[in-house]
Amino acid sequence: DQQVKQNSPSLSVQEGRISILNCDYTNSMFDYFLWYKKYPAEGPTFLISISSIKDKNEDGRFTVFLNKSAKHLSLHIVPSQPGDSAVYFCAAKLTGGGNKLTFGTGTQLKVEL
Amino acid sequence: DTGVSQDPRHKITKRGQNVTFRCDPISEHNRLYWYRQTLGQGPEFLTYFQNEAQLEKSRLLSDRFSAERPKGSFSTLEIQRTEQGDSAMYLCASSITVSTDTQYFGPGTRLTVL
Repeated sequence: DQQVKQNSPSLSVQEGRISILNCDYTNSMFDYFLWYKKYPAEGPTFLISISSIKDKNEDGRFTVFLNKSAKHLSLHIVPSQPGDSAVYFCAAKLTGGGNKLTFGTGTQLKVEL
Repeated sequence: DTGVSQDPRHKITKRGQNVTFRCDPISEHNRLYWYRQTLGQGPEFLTYFQNEAQLEKSRLLSDRFSAERPKGSFSTLEIQRTEQGDSAMYLCASSITVSTDTQYFGPGTRLTVL
């Protein structure tokens, strides 16, 4: 049972344009969401997070939007840079339900020159 | 700086052998987590420690798997009688008990069971 879903396995964007990565979840008890970036042969690197009491969080070029009613979140990267090419994972957790993260299957982002 | 470190980075073993991996968390992080990642999947939670106490174990963690964090600092993950299905990337993460409790990951140990 995949509680966190990233339905797009890959995304290709031109340098300078916006990248939008999507994530859906099924467990309405999740109350904290995170995005990680992963390069080959490295561990995931934390990017940005959002609590369920907010609908937007911004950090530099990265913005995460949360739509609780739709159980959907998205990561916007503006402007996209070649160094952003990586696999992006969405993760969710329940506060008070243990601290384990439940990850999606990832989206491979390729930023082309 | 001292992020999360893991040793070894790669391990090749024959089926039936035992293997042990080590994780050193970010200093002062009291929480430590183990995850497993297979090709095309996101990391899957295995177990979690707060200080030296193992507080949660996934049902993915069969009897052949054991994890310890004896002094609340580094942790070891042992797999006994390895099987080919154990081939995966084993990731360690650590965090500190604050409101966000963000987990920071190490580079992982790639296990190949022949």
